[in-house]
Amino acid sequence: EPEVTQTPSHQVTQMGQEVILRCVPISNHLYFYWYRQILGQKVEFLVSFYNNEISEKSEIFDDQFSVERPDGSNFTLKIRSTKLEDSAMYFCASRLPGQGHEQFFGPGTRLTVL
Amino acid sequence: AQSVAQPEDQVNVAEGNPLTVKCTYSVSGNPYLFWYVQYPNRGLQFLLKYITGDNLVKGSYGFEAEFNKSQTSFHLKKPSALVSDSALYFCAVRDETGFQKLVFGTGTRLLVSP
Repeated sequence: EPEVTQTPSHQVTQMGQEVILRCVPISNHLYFYWYRQILGQKVEFLVSFYNNEISEKSEIFDDQFSVERPDGSNFTLKIRSTKLEDSAMYFCASRLPGQGHEQFFGPGTRLTVL
Repeated sequence: AQSVAQPEDQVNVAEGNPLTVKCTYSVSGNPYLFWYVQYPNRGLQFLLKYITGDNLVKGSYGFEAEFNKSQTSFHLKKPSALVSDSALYFCAVRDETGFQKLVFGTGTRLLVSP
């Protein structure tokens, strides 16, 4: 069964450093998302991506964040200058086009900012 | 704006007993509702969804959910709980605007005792 994959599973970084979180969505999916979950809190939407551009972003997704689909398979989230409060689990998700299709989530990357 | 509420932080049930995890929603149009489960240190796994049609939706691992429009509820149920069902359960509603991001509830921890 196809699945969304994410690397790395855990990333530790120093405050102010740049990090890139990588995702490989399911191959025939066209809509891509990033969510985050701060420890003990609910899952929050960050950004959606379709047709090689951001389609929607939350207020969390400020200028420090960017997303890219550099080739036909990878989907990346970059944080330019990490802050302590960026420490969270980051989930990538993808879905088929059309109404009502569920999103499939990757296993997540745990980001720890020291 | 769309929202879901999960009124219980934790639900405790004995193995073999039926379980219910509650969710209520608020949408302005037709609701597209989802249940996901999160096991420790894992991603979100899709369980089931309601788009339209029968109010009783069947999903993975023997779970089902009952859509009730008059009560704006979408409770998750299982006739006979297993210890392995112990996990964090999230109800979500599809955003009606934009590109269908999911809006999650705060999650309910299900603890099934032997």
